[in-house]
Amino acid sequence: KNEVEQSPQNLTAQEGEFITINCSYSVGISALHWLQQHPGGGIVSLFMLSSGKKKHGRLIATINIQEKHSSLHITASHPRDSAVYICAVNGPKLIFGTGTRLQVFP
Amino acid sequence: DGGITQSPKYLFRKEGQNVTLSCEQNLNHDAMYWYRQDPGQGLRLIYYSQIVNDFQKGDIAEGYSVSREKKESFPLTVTSAQKNPTAFYLCASRRTVDTEAFFGQGTRLTVV
Repeated sequence: KNEVEQSPQNLTAQEGEFITINCSYSVGISALHWLQQHPGGGIVSLFMLSSGKKKHGRLIATINIQEKHSSLHITASHPRDSAVYICAVNGPKLIFGTGTRLQVFP
Repeated sequence: DGGITQSPKYLFRKEGQNVTLSCEQNLNHDAMYWYRQDPGQGLRLIYYSQIVNDFQKGDIAEGYSVSREKKESFPLTVTSAQKNPTAFYLCASRRTVDTEAFFGQGTRLTVV
């Protein structure tokens, strides 16, 4: 079993829909990152959070340390949100989830 | 601007040749990491270094080598012993295990 699990693996949506991506982990961590990877491969860091909730534009990230679970929400999704979204946990090692491929259609 | 730089973005090599991927950071970070990503797969840890002149193997170190002679630099050499070197390689750094990680843009290596 992977130490960091993401769901779903693939997600398709119509423009405007509310999107939720989940990340569960089994190791002790100090914080969790949400990253965005575009088709060219480049990685963009969206959030780092260790408790509660963070919001940036249409993106919202939440974390529950006790339940070892984090979610990334995208409100009013847009085709430009199409990318792979990856969670990574900050522990003794930096461990990545396998990613969620999101496609948003007009 | 502080950041982490990987170069080149795309790299092509002939089979049997060693190739070195560059990762440089000017963030004064102690810890640096190399990951590999195959199509449709997650990022897997190759090597990491928590301090200058020291590094540890990750989960898939076979066929790779690293050095950490300077704090700001952590080059990765893909040797001819690596059976399937074609992949996307990502470098990351952080000050300590508790602080925010920063990521390079990655190098896509194709071996023909």
